[in-house]
Amino acid sequence: ETGVTQTPRHLVMGMTNKKSLKCEQHLGHNAMYWYKQSAKKPLELMFVYNFKEQTENNSVPSRFSPECPNSSHLFLHLHTLQPEDSALYLCASSRDTSSGANVLTFGAGSRLTVL
Amino acid sequence: EDQVTQSPEALRLQEGESSSLNCSYTVSGLRGLFWYRQDPGKGPEFLFTLYSAGEEKEKERLKATLTKKESFLHITAPKPEDSATYLCAVSRGSQGNLIFGKGTKLSVKP
Repeated sequence: ETGVTQTPRHLVMGMTNKKSLKCEQHLGHNAMYWYKQSAKKPLELMFVYNFKEQTENNSVPSRFSPECPNSSHLFLHLHTLQPEDSALYLCASSRDTSSGANVLTFGAGSRLTVL
Repeated sequence: EDQVTQSPEALRLQEGESSSLNCSYTVSGLRGLFWYRQDPGKGPEFLFTLYSAGEEKEKERLKATLTKKESFLHITAPKPEDSATYLCAVSRGSQGNLIFGKGTKLSVKP
């Protein structure tokens, strides 16, 4: 496989469930990102990892817990979510974060619905 | 506060009807301005990066330009397959983080 792959593509969960989103990149990149995309809103940066180290947490509620075991894999663990957390969650990767002009490559996203 | 504003929100064109999308920005220390295309059910796909005022880049029917306050994405003789949401984003500082606009949804009718 090539590019950035996200699974699952669709997820429906109750407010008390625990689930995880997975992202894998085959581009040899060292930085990985989670973005949230809601209707009528700009993409919101959630977390940034560079060489497996978290470099940014954009004031994300603790019910979202990221994990980056290596430069190729990124997870977003979900627990006790709220209906307003329903959105498209996009994973992206880039060469690294040292240049402000790095091009991000996005996955297709995981569509999350919280009931 | 760093901000990216795109206009219009939605644009409907007839096939062959050229037009432009606007992205205005206020950011300190601009490192790059990015244009992405997003199709329904897919993630954004990179189109262009512009680094300095006066710079222009072209790809097929698309041409992106940059001034000190805004960028334009010109679409010449569009086709139905150009229908998508076009996202503008800026990066600032030393990090790779991008600030995105809300996007312009383009529909091209045959």
